[in-house]
Amino acid sequence: EPEVTQTPSHQVTQMGQEVILRCVPISNHLYFYWYRQILGQKVEFLVSFYNNEISEKSEIFDDQFSVERPDGSNFTLKIRSTKLEDSAMYFCASMRDRGVNEQFFGPGTRLTVL
Amino acid sequence: AQSVTQPDIHITVSEGASLELRCNYSYGATPYLFWYVQSPGQGLQLLLKYFSGDTLVQGIKGFEAEFKRSQSSFNLRKPSVHWSDAAEYFCAVGGLGNNLFFGTGTRLTVIP
Repeated sequence: EPEVTQTPSHQVTQMGQEVILRCVPISNHLYFYWYRQILGQKVEFLVSFYNNEISEKSEIFDDQFSVERPDGSNFTLKIRSTKLEDSAMYFCASMRDRGVNEQFFGPGTRLTVL
Repeated sequence: AQSVTQPDIHITVSEGASLELRCNYSYGATPYLFWYVQSPGQGLQLLLKYFSGDTLVQGIKGFEAEFKRSQSSFNLRKPSVHWSDAAEYFCAVGGLGNNLFFGTGTRLTVIP
């Protein structure tokens, strides 16, 4: 069964460093999402992406964040200058189309900022 | 404003007992409702979803949920819990093709 994959599973970085989290959505899916979950808290929406552009973003998704679909298969989340409060589990999700309206989630990348 | 409330942070049940996890939502348009399960260190797995039609929906692993528009609720139920059901359960609401709003989750502990 097709699934969303994410790499790395765990990333440790120093405050102020740039990180790129990678996701490979399910191949025939058209809508892509990033969510994050700070330890012990709820899952929060960051950004959605469709047709090579951001379709919606939350207040969390400020100028330090960017997303890209560089090669038609990968979907990346970049944090330009990490802060301690960026430590969280980051989930990628993809959806085939709006009619199906079911998002499939990857296993997540745990980001630890020291 | 969109929001999801899961009033129970932690529930403990005995194996074989019935289970009900509560979820209340607030959403400005037609809600699409979901229950996800997260095992430790794992991602989110969809248990079931409600879009329209029959208000009682069946999901995987023997779970079901009932949509009650008048109460803005979408409670998850299972008649007989198994030890493998121990996990974190998240209720979520969204629109058609829109991002999801999640509740804070309910941690389920199953005792033998």
